[in-house]
Order: sequence, then structure tokens, then C-alpha cells
Amino acid sequence: DGGITQSPKYLFRKEGQNVTLSCEQNLNHDAMYWYRQDPGQGLRLIYYSQIVNDFQKGDIAEGYSVSREKKESFPLTVTSAQKNPTAFYLCASSIQRQGGQPQHFGDGTRLSIL
Amino acid sequence: AQSVTQPDIHITVSEGASLELRCNYSYGATPYLFWYVQSPGQGLQLLLKYFSGDTLVQGIKGFEAEFKRSQSSFNLRKPSVHWSDAAEYFCAVGEGDIILTGGGNKLTFGTGTQLKVEL
Repeated sequence: DGGITQSPKYLFRKEGQNVTLSCEQNLNHDAMYWYRQDPGQGLRLIYYSQIVNDFQKGDIAEGYSVSREKKESFPLTVTSAQKNPTAFYLCASSIQRQGGQPQHFGDGTRLSIL
Repeated sequence: AQSVTQPDIHITVSEGASLELRCNYSYGATPYLFWYVQSPGQGLQLLLKYFSGDTLVQGIKGFEAEFKRSQSSFNLRKPSVHWSDAAEYFCAVGEGDIILTGGGNKLTFGTGTQLKVEL
């Protein structure tokens, strides 16, 4: 079945450490997105990519980095510069044609600080 | 900039009762509107979407939503709630023509409504 796979499901970060969250999709979608979810705040866009080798900052990009070397993959690195990384992270993808396409979501990664 | 307001943070209904979750949006053109549902520790699942045409949209799991341009609203409804409907519900507005906006299919989400179902 086509879908989006996020791994790991749970991740722990030590102080000063960078960690990378994986997101892979087999839906043949051009666009991919990373969101951060905190209780009571909905979903906030971190980064998005409309095409391979290109990506744009979202609303809360500071302390995060991404790459898009393959169409299927859009990994997110939470750097040590992100001082409050504890959150639920969601990856999504969509068709990139005319507007209004729904996004399809993975099951998320929960990141916590040790 | 577009925005979405879900005024109800928590709603509790009895099983079998009707449900309406409110959503108001702000967008300069004809909006693309979505409702998603999220179970604890899971991703978001698309319930329904509105692009154009009929203002009453049918979705999965017996949900429907009505687009009212004059009220800038897109409320979600279900005639009879089941215990399994307990979850968090998110309304979202999408950008229009990506060629004009250049912004891709970005979505702006509301802060969500947590639904509790009493047996």
C-alpha cells in the first residue's frame, strides 16, 4: 500500500546533540512537508519542498534543517540550536499541481529531551 | 495571510447525539478547505475537502461539512456520534492557484477541537 513512513516512532535527544527524523513516501508525490505539533497549538510548518533539491522555510524553521536529495525522502534534522525540541513531528506529502490538493500524513515521531 | 479559527477547544457529546464542530477561516480568494481527524499518537486522516461546487460536502465515517461564504465558515457535522469518533479534529485552509501564489499546496491549520464522547 502507498503511504508515508516516519521513523523512529520515539526519539530521545541529549543536550547539544543533533538528531535526524526520517520521512519516506511511495505515493510519487512531488511536495513534502514537516510540521511540529504542540498541545493546543495545532500544526506549525517547519519546512516544505516542492521539488527535489529545493526546499523553503516555513513558519518556524529556526533550529531545524532539511534535505531533499530524492523524491521519496525528506529527512528533518533537529539541531542543538533548537532549544525546545520536545514535540510531535509530522511529515506530509501532496501532489504538486493546481492548488487545493490535500496533504497525506505519516504517523509521526515523538521527540523528547533526556 | 490566511488563518483558521476553531473556537471550541473541547467538546463533549453523548453517544448517539448530533455533532457540530465550528471552523472560521480568513482568506482573500475562494478557499480550499479541509477537515482532518487525529487519534492519539497518530497522524492526521483526511475526512473531507471542499474545492468548489456544491457547498455541502460529504466525507468518510458519516461526516459532512457545509461551506458558507457569507459567514466564512466550514462547520463539520455528524447526525449521530459513535464512541469511536472521540479524537481531535482539525480544520485547514489551503492556498489557491500555486502558479499565482508560488507557495505550493501549503495548509494553514486551526488549533484543533478535542471531541470526547460520553457513553
